[in-house]
Parts: sequence; structure tokens; C-alpha cells
Amino acid sequence: KQEVTQIPAALSVPEGENLVLNCSFTDSAIYNLQWFRQDPGKGLTSLLLIQSSQREQTSGRLNASLDKSSGRSTLYIAASQPGDSATYLCAVLYYGGATNKLIFGTGTLLAVQP
Amino acid sequence: DGGITQSPKYLFRKEGQNVTLSCEQNLNHDAMYWYRQDPGQGLRLIYYSQIVNDFQKGDIAEGYSVSREKKESFPLTVTSAQKNPTAFYLCASRSTSRGPTDTQYFGPGTRLTVL
Repeated sequence: KQEVTQIPAALSVPEGENLVLNCSFTDSAIYNLQWFRQDPGKGLTSLLLIQSSQREQTSGRLNASLDKSSGRSTLYIAASQPGDSATYLCAVLYYGGATNKLIFGTGTLLAVQP
Repeated sequence: DGGITQSPKYLFRKEGQNVTLSCEQNLNHDAMYWYRQDPGQGLRLIYYSQIVNDFQKGDIAEGYSVSREKKESFPLTVTSAQKNPTAFYLCASRSTSRGPTDTQYFGPGTRLTVL
């Protein structure tokens, strides 16, 4: 069964701290992996997308890495800010011919304290 | 502005009623998706559509129905057969012209509550 797990489920850090969110997946035959941000009661915003052939992607203070062989990805957030407070979701894309399927993790709820 | 709109933002349903959630996109995307989100769980796929007049069941399609008569629109009906419909519903769309690796774009969601 294709499953995606995120650890920790919740995280609280003081402003300015660097932090790492973890994502693991059971089936390594992925097409790509994405990290999304979700604010309370809102839709999802794509942060970073890593193709299966890539090792990492960077956008501003965010860096996502991918180790397909071990079934792991990490999202590194540098110099965290209160505005980073949100739920972060990891999603893995499996491609099956004419269709593709995104499998989502349960998310990590991040609170950055001022 | 290009994007995905969902309406209403909040919806209340009585037991035994059918309700329809609207999803419209002006991104010219071929593929559209409906997900359900419950507290402590990841998003689960209800239905998806790759082209007009065609749609496929996702992982939790029981108690739901959809139609895709226009490229821009993919409404979801929550029927009385859905035993636990209270949840947050998210619609997404994706361009298929650049292959399977393009990202999905999400709407703002509809929160459905059964009274």
C-alpha cells in the first residue's frame, strides 16, 4: 500500500530557529514529490516540487531534499518567522499510464513563536 | 486573475439532503480533482476527471457523484448515501499539456457541516 508519513505531527519553535520537517513514503517508484503549505481553513499552496531524478530544490528560505532510495524527504526552513506558521503537507505523485495519483501525508502543524 | 473558485465557503446540510459543491477554474486545465480533508488525516481523493465528459472514481467515491459537462466546471454532489459527510472539501486542477509532472493547483475549499 502506498503511504506517506510526516513527522512530527506538530512543532513549536521560537522565531529565528532553523527547522526540519520530515516525510517518508513506502513505495519508492515515485514520479515527483511536493511540499505544500496550508493556512487554517484555506486551500493548499505549492512550495516546492522535486522530480524523482533530482536531489533537492530551493526557494528562498526553503530547501527540500529527496532520497528516493530510502523513501525520505525533508523540508528545511531557515530563520523561521511567525508568518511561517501553517500546516505543511508532503505529497507523492505516482504515475500510472493515463492517470496520476497524489498521495498526501497527514501534515506537520508548525507554530513559530515571536 | 486566473485561478480556482469554490462555492460556497461554508455549507450546512440536514440529514438526508443532497448538496452540490461548486468548483470553477479559468486556468484552461484539462484535469480536475475533488479531495476530502478530515482532521488528522491527509487529503483523500474522491473523484477526478482528465477530460470533459469523463471522470473516474478515487479512493472514497461512495456517497458522492460528479459531472464534467464543461472544461471549466467540476461540481461535486454529496448525496444522502454519504454517512459521514462533515469535512473540508478541496477542488484542484492540473494542466496535462506538460505531462504528468505538473503541479495541481488548489481552490480555497468548502467546509460542509451536517446538522
